[in-house]
Amino acid sequence: QVQLQQWGAGLLKASETLSLSCAVYGGSFSGYSWSWIRQPPGKGLEWIGEINDSETTTYDPSLKGRVTMSRDTSTNLFSLKLTSVTAADTAVYYCAITYFWGQGTVVTVSS
Amino acid sequence: NFIMTQPHSVSESPEKTVTISCTRSSGSIASNYVQWYQQRPGSAPTTVIYEDKQRPSGVPDRFSGSIDSSSNSASLTISGLKTEDEADYYCQSYGRSGWVFGGGTRLTVL
Repeated sequence: QVQLQQWGAGLLKASETLSLSCAVYGGSFSGYSWSWIRQPPGKGLEWIGEINDSETTTYDPSLKGRVTMSRDTSTNLFSLKLTSVTAADTAVYYCAITYFWGQGTVVTVSS
Repeated sequence: NFIMTQPHSVSESPEKTVTISCTRSSGSIASNYVQWYQQRPGSAPTTVIYEDKQRPSGVPDRFSGSIDSSSNSASLTISGLKTEDEADYYCQSYGRSGWVFGGGTRLTVL
């Protein structure tokens, strides 16, 4: 049974750096891209970006310059960093790979 | 990038069949796979259809996906509706800059 387990700080102040991790259990996903998606309160899903098997990253243009993704295939772990957060970055953040999703991490940015 | 347009809401009765559409604004719907996600209130999304029409293990065959090049749209059809199907449904495909999501459709089973 594949499971994606997420963790990271849930309360940040404006200008701080968001840092989340996602571990994949129960399967090997080499050859696939690993993605992060977020959902602001009461809104739809927003794609943040992805990192592929060659560690090539693609980010949503609106977040480019603030976002960094990395992965460690030996431990099935990947991470997201988003710098200089503002209230607009308040959302539930999800990791995903193929058709599996993590449970989500609520991130609130206060001023 | 293109836009994926979904109806804001649909409703149907239990045991009936409902179809949710997702229309791509530019470029061919067939040029990139479409996925569908179900999100129940307070829960993370789960994938009900991937690669246009494939079902992940555990998703009942009441859920089916298709694409129609003539209308440049994808559809999610749910037959034999159950109250547990009440949720938000999102379509998703791939653009030049990454994933593109539809705005979501609220399905009410009444």
